[in-house]
Amino acid sequence: DAGVIQSPRHEVTEMGQEVTLRCKPISGHDYLFWYRQTMMRGLELLIYFNNNVPIDDSGMPEDRFSAKMPNASFSTLKIQPSEPRDSAVYFCASSTGTANSPLHFGNGTRLTVT
Amino acid sequence: AQSVTQLGSHVSVSEGALVLLRCNYSSSVPPYLFWYVQYPNQGLQLLLKYTTGATLVKGINGFEAEFKKSETSFHLTKPSAHMSDAAEYFCAVSVTGGTSYGKLTFGQGTILTVHP
Repeated sequence: DAGVIQSPRHEVTEMGQEVTLRCKPISGHDYLFWYRQTMMRGLELLIYFNNNVPIDDSGMPEDRFSAKMPNASFSTLKIQPSEPRDSAVYFCASSTGTANSPLHFGNGTRLTVT
Repeated sequence: AQSVTQLGSHVSVSEGALVLLRCNYSSSVPPYLFWYVQYPNQGLQLLLKYTTGATLVKGINGFEAEFKKSETSFHLTKPSAHMSDAAEYFCAVSVTGGTSYGKLTFGQGTILTVHP
């Protein structure tokens, strides 16, 4: 199994531009999570999906952020327009969804907004 | 609501010394508890987990953790530190039931430094 695959690994963009982060979960995992990691706030859950349906998006910081999961093997996190304070590492994770099942993380996308 | 507190954002030990990383949790229902490790420029990897049963849980790389309900703790230990253990460690608690089923809440992380 290739694990959770995220792309790109690094993204540098200018303020105001649209940014799209991509994630391919592990096959058979019904849950997909998007996390953001910063020095100040640590790991924050942004949104998670169950069977491609968004379950909890209370962590999405504002309307500039949106996430989709059009099918079981693909999800995107979009920021439009981007701002310097969005600079962070964004992680995608997937799991089988039982309460005791661990999350499997991708290697993250390091986003820098100048 | 559940929460996790990791005591000490930085821990420094000598190679061969005991590693002790502290984690306390708050949960209104019996928790599932996890320890993850993050190496530089990588995602988080599962070290070990507690669900039910034996309260002393063994994980990868010689780490273990003990669930103590009376102390609401889940401290991570390793008898002898190795240079390769240098990383950031995260404790997490899982919520059971409701719309938060399977959702993990993470602590702030503890950076472990190992000196030669």
